[in-house]
Amino acid sequence: DIQMTQSPSSLSASVGDRVTITCRASQDISSFLVWFQQKPGKAPKSLIYAASSLQSGVPSRFSGSGSGTDFSLTISNLQPEDFATYYCQQYNDYPLTFGGGTKVEIK
Amino acid sequence: EVQLVESGGGLVQPGGSLRLSCAASGFTFSDHYMDWVRQAPGTGLEWVGRTRNRARSYTTEYAASVRGRFTVSRDDSKTSVYLQMNSLKTEDTAVYYCATGTRDSRGHYFIDNWGQGNLVTVSP
Repeated sequence: DIQMTQSPSSLSASVGDRVTITCRASQDISSFLVWFQQKPGKAPKSLIYAASSLQSGVPSRFSGSGSGTDFSLTISNLQPEDFATYYCQQYNDYPLTFGGGTKVEIK
Repeated sequence: EVQLVESGGGLVQPGGSLRLSCAASGFTFSDHYMDWVRQAPGTGLEWVGRTRNRARSYTTEYAASVRGRFTVSRDDSKTSVYLQMNSLKTEDTAVYYCATGTRDSRGHYFIDNWGQGNLVTVSP
């Protein structure tokens, strides 16, 4: 199975900050990676697919980059509604696997 | 608008069975793969299984943790997907999400729409 390792597991930031979350795959997954945002008690929401393509309706302050084994999600100008948990997930091979999540909290 | 509505969750004893349903609307159901993803309380997301579409002969894939106990099926005439869960264990306690997606520019299928989730509790 492909292991997905996210870091950090949590971070504290302020409104207006630039935040970067990283995700590392245990083997080459090309660009077959998605990023999800999840708020407490809610279903995940898709932000980025194919490592860097922004989902329709997602604010442009979200961006993704990377290929192969190393990926990142950047939130520029952090907004109050962005405080949530973020997950990466690879779709290169079965079983589909998720990172452990990164909780973005208010400083 | 894509809508996925799960039902059928609840409390079941270890060793028991339960069937979850997911009613889909807002898209051409028969064209899409359908997934189940779960989330144990206070933990992260775990993919459970997938059914492909008719063009791919409705073939299925499963996580190792559920293979042989869980079965994903679909009924295109009812635009619904199902998760039959047998031999349930306490560690299967989770919110179960129905999900679907689309293909990227290279033809790989990724998840981009989720249901609201349905809680399954396995406890004596």
